[in-house]
Amino acid sequence: GAVVSQHPSWVICKSGTSVKIECRSLDFQATTMFWYRQFPKQSLMLMATSNEGSKATYEQGVEKDKFLINHASLTLSTLTVTSAHPEDSSFYICSALVPSAMTDTQYFGPGTRLTVL
Amino acid sequence: GQQVMQIPQYQHVQEGEDFTTYCNSSTTLSNIQWYKQRPGGHPVFLIQLVKSGEVKKQKRLTFQFGEAKKNSSLHITATQTTDVGTYFCAGLWEYGNKLVFGAGTILRVKS
Repeated sequence: GAVVSQHPSWVICKSGTSVKIECRSLDFQATTMFWYRQFPKQSLMLMATSNEGSKATYEQGVEKDKFLINHASLTLSTLTVTSAHPEDSSFYICSALVPSAMTDTQYFGPGTRLTVL
Repeated sequence: GQQVMQIPQYQHVQEGEDFTTYCNSSTTLSNIQWYKQRPGGHPVFLIQLVKSGEVKKQKRLTFQFGEAKKNSSLHITATQTTDVGTYFCAGLWEYGNKLVFGAGTILRVKS
C-alpha cells in the first residue's frame, strides 16, 4: 500500500519560534495532501488542503499566515507553524490522496507531536 | 457544514463481548471510511465502503453501509484486548475530496 512519512515525529519548541513539519509520499506521487490537527482525546480536524504547484485551501478558522503550507513537489508538502504558542501544541497529521478508478483514498502519515513551551 | 455524528463516545466492554459503533450523516455520502487509532498512535485505515447496503468483513470486524448511504456501523465480535483504541468513521461527499471525521468511539476492553 501507499506509504506516507512525516518528519519530525515529535518536536518541542519555545514560544515564538517557528516549526516546519514535512510530509512525504514515499512510493507514489501525490498532487493533493491534507493537513489535520488533533487535540488530546478529540477527533481529527482538517486544517487545509495542499495542492502541488498552487496555493493551499484553508478551512474556516485556520489562519493561513500562521500555518504556512508549501507543496513544492509531487512527493512533499510542508507545514510551518509560525510564531508558535502553547495553544498550538497538538498532534499534526498529514495525508496524501491516492486517486483510483472507484474512489480516492487517503493515506495518513504517522503524525508529528508538537509541544510549545 | 457537512458533519458526521458518531456514537457512542466511549464503550468499556468485558473481553469476549461484542462492540458496535455507529456513524450518521444528514446527507448522502459518496463513501465512508473507518480508521483505528491506538493510544499514542496515528489513525490507521481499516476499510472503505462505497456501495449502498455494502457489508464487508475483516476477521471479527463487520462494516456496514446503509441503503441510503447516510449511515454506517462497525461491529466487533468477541472483543480482545488488542481491539483497544479509538475508532473513527470519516465521510466523503460527492464533488469533494475532503474527509470529515466523526468524533470517534473510544473502546476499552477489560480482561
